[in-house]
Amino acid sequence: QVQLQESGPGLVKPSETLSLTCTVSGYSISSGYYWGWIRQSPGKGLEWIGSLFHRGTTYYNPSLKSRVAITIDTSKNQFFLKLNSVTAADTAVYYCARAAVVGTSWFDPWGQGTLVTVSS
Amino acid sequence: QSALTQPASVSGSPGQSITISCTGSSSDVGGYNFVSWYQQHPGKAPKLMIYDVTNRPSGGSNRFSGSKSGNTASLTISGLQAEDEADYYCASYSSSSTWVFGTGTKVTVL
Repeated sequence: QVQLQESGPGLVKPSETLSLTCTVSGYSISSGYYWGWIRQSPGKGLEWIGSLFHRGTTYYNPSLKSRVAITIDTSKNQFFLKLNSVTAADTAVYYCARAAVVGTSWFDPWGQGTLVTVSS
Repeated sequence: QSALTQPASVSGSPGQSITISCTGSSSDVGGYNFVSWYQQHPGKAPKLMIYDVTNRPSGGSNRFSGSKSGNTASLTISGLQAEDEADYYCASYSSSSTWVFGTGTKVTVL
């Protein structure tokens, strides 16, 4: 059974960099699929941040592309999110998920999510 | 990249059927058969309910079905149950290898 778990600081200061880790269990991330990050601002809808393939191909939301980087460490079965120059608008629950993007399209399963608050 | 448009709320009585719409454009919903639907209970992570417009994941409930016409996709819940009360989001592959989610619909079981 594939499981994902987000981890990282729950509080980030404005203008600094948000860094999160997604640890995958029950599946080797180098075996295939894409891996993605999605966020949800308090009381709002879901926003796709970006997805990457274990061989390095990445796709980013155009509205965040200048500030975001998603990377992977197959040896640790983890992938990472970095979002720089954060503001209060980046306060959200951040989810990681397995993604299918070739010939099909879905996000499943999802991690439980981690709340990141941007505040001084 | 604009969010797909969903009704803010839909309600129905137990046993009834309801339909949630998801309207995009020819660059996303209308251009590809890559629409998926997610159920989210309060404080929980989203759960995949339908993918590629009409397909249910393994073990998924057959009370949930999907369809698409032009730039609008739809999720139908048949035999509405109390446990179906949740938020529902559509998502679509979009041009240039990006993905876009819908605005979300709150389903209330009366």
